[in-house]
Amino acid sequence: GIQVEQSPPDLILQEGANSTLRCNFSDSVNNLQWFHQNPWGQLINLFYIPSGTKQNGRLSATTVATERYSLLYISSSQTTDSGVYFCAVGYSGNTPLVFGKGTRLSVIA
Amino acid sequence: DGGITQSPKYLFRKEGQNVTLSCEQNLNHDAMYWYRQDPGQGLRLIYYSQIVNDFQKGDIAEGYSVSREKKESFPLTVTSAQKNPTAFYLCASSPGRGNTIYFGEGSWLTVV
Repeated sequence: GIQVEQSPPDLILQEGANSTLRCNFSDSVNNLQWFHQNPWGQLINLFYIPSGTKQNGRLSATTVATERYSLLYISSSQTTDSGVYFCAVGYSGNTPLVFGKGTRLSVIA
Repeated sequence: DGGITQSPKYLFRKEGQNVTLSCEQNLNHDAMYWYRQDPGQGLRLIYYSQIVNDFQKGDIAEGYSVSREKKESFPLTVTSAQKNPTAFYLCASSPGRGNTIYFGEGSWLTVV
């Protein structure tokens, strides 16, 4: 099956710093989503981005489907950005998403 | 409010007992999913259902069972055959066909 690798596994930032999280996947996909899991376990959708670039406030994401990777950018990080960021990919139709192991981000004041 | 409701939030189970986790959605989504998350790990798929009265095994279905008798409900039973059931369980739903997936708040299961 498809493999999803995220890097780095852990990241510690000072408040206000910028960061880039990477997601590599092993096959062509037509569904790619980024999620943020808060310290209480809740998973929140950030982006649905099988290709192209999207921005939402301080967060943006780019997926280069032909090269099988996606990047999540966090600018001017805040302590509330702490948590685990997951990338998940899927094939066509209703096939379920396959998740990477995540990047654990800690933003310190 | 629209969303996905999981219950209970916390559950303790004795070894050898079956336990059922509830998942209800009022989003009118066709597809529903159960994932398992272990500490420091990603999510692994247990079962999924794309339509009422039909479901498929995921990567780690052994020791679990599901039913999909109603569109809005997809309960998960953790049976005594599951060797290491202590984990965080997440239910999700989507409109289907590669759309965005939405998660419930999760259920923590501890075997004592």
